[in-house]
Amino acid sequence: QQQVKQSPQSLIVQKGGISIINCAYENTAFDYFPWYQQFPGKGPALLIAIRPDVSEKKEGRFTISFNKSAKQFSLHIMDSQPGDSATYFCAANLSGTYKYIFGTGTRLKVLA
Amino acid sequence: DAGVIQSPRHEVTEMGQEVTLRCKPISGHNSLFWYRQTMMRGLELLIYFNNNVPIDDSGMPEDRFSAKMPNASFSTLKIQPSEPRDSAVYFCASSLALYNSPLHFGNGTRLTVT
Repeated sequence: QQQVKQSPQSLIVQKGGISIINCAYENTAFDYFPWYQQFPGKGPALLIAIRPDVSEKKEGRFTISFNKSAKQFSLHIMDSQPGDSATYFCAANLSGTYKYIFGTGTRLKVLA
Repeated sequence: DAGVIQSPRHEVTEMGQEVTLRCKPISGHNSLFWYRQTMMRGLELLIYFNNNVPIDDSGMPEDRFSAKMPNASFSTLKIQPSEPRDSAVYFCASSLALYNSPLHFGNGTRLTVT
């Protein structure tokens, strides 16, 4: 199946807390997993990405954890800030194509 | 780098009218994608082009939708005739024609069909 299931749909976190967003897939032909961040009125922008041969990737406060056997990956935002309030999309790239399948999005609100 | 440029930003039209959305990709990018975003269905890929050639249009909802890319710096998405259920935000994105190359999105066109 060419679906990527994302949860939760929405998330409220206190400033300084950890935000965790999860995604799951079934198609083993996916070989690249980016996360995109979208602010209101803007298009999604690449935040961080991982390949399935790596179990974790960290960039600043943002970390992707990848579990290949479970076909799951997650985004962790450490020390969440009000400026992180946005919608986050996970995605998966179908191997050998330029085609990305997106999750349904998580609306994150970080309270000051 | 001006980014991906879409026009118009907002479009309000009546049912039955023709709507044309426009996109200028990032210079040097040779893959172009049209996505539709709604609350119910999220981001859906409608069509993508590689070197101006349509590669996969399986996401185009029906014959009322058509897309063209006459040259490397311009693409259009046309809906004729438009229907209220076409109301959504339409995004254009471009990338290098390399596997795992990130997508660069425009700011979208918000279409409202009344």
